[in-house]
Amino acid sequence: ETGVTQTPRHLVMGMTNKKSLKCEQHLGHNAMYWYKQSAKKPLELMFVYNFKEQTENNSVPSRFSPECPNSSHLFLHLHTLQPEDSALYLCASSQGDRDYQPQHFGDGTRLSIL
Amino acid sequence: GQQLNQSPQSMFIQEGEDVSMNCTSSSIFNTWLWYKQDPGEGPVLLIALYKAGELTSNGRLTAQFGITRKDSFLNISASIPSDVGIYFCAGQGGGTSYGKLTFGQGTILTVHP
Repeated sequence: ETGVTQTPRHLVMGMTNKKSLKCEQHLGHNAMYWYKQSAKKPLELMFVYNFKEQTENNSVPSRFSPECPNSSHLFLHLHTLQPEDSALYLCASSQGDRDYQPQHFGDGTRLSIL
Repeated sequence: GQQLNQSPQSMFIQEGEDVSMNCTSSSIFNTWLWYKQDPGEGPVLLIALYKAGELTSNGRLTAQFGITRKDSFLNISASIPSDVGIYFCAGQGGGTSYGKLTFGQGTILTVHP
């Protein structure tokens, strides 16, 4: 039990589908993150939210749309994805988005684009 | 941007052996973190280091924050089969990347009983 819960754990979708990934943290943290983990590549930061406000968009294509309704929940809305978007998408949270505040990860959503 | 070089990429060892892995960077970091990722799960934080020169232990794991702030190592003593997994280093902050984590490529550890 990591304190960060992601659903669904696995998702298979076509390129024209629309789906959403959900993340919920039970750690009382104020910052939440989306990462992409592809085979043989370091984890790539996608988005950062602090107190529900987006503080970082790491040049992510607009087919990925994040939403943070409160400090405990984070969504990633997906539409018109490409095969190269197949990856493990990890959510993380930390006390704040500053230094000296380690991030804690969920178990990820394994996304496959057909 | 900041990059980390983590080595070795993989290790195959016998149960009971000690393990050492390290990360180096051309940039300084304010925090070094070590994570372990098991198959089908997310990275789990093992050790966090906050001061240059700091040496911290967590059971059989020991990690150090290099005095130049550009490197860190992780040692695992007396390895056991459940140590199998991918170990990631991550540097946080420093320079213009305040708060952000930069990850190494990972070290895949295999332990033979």
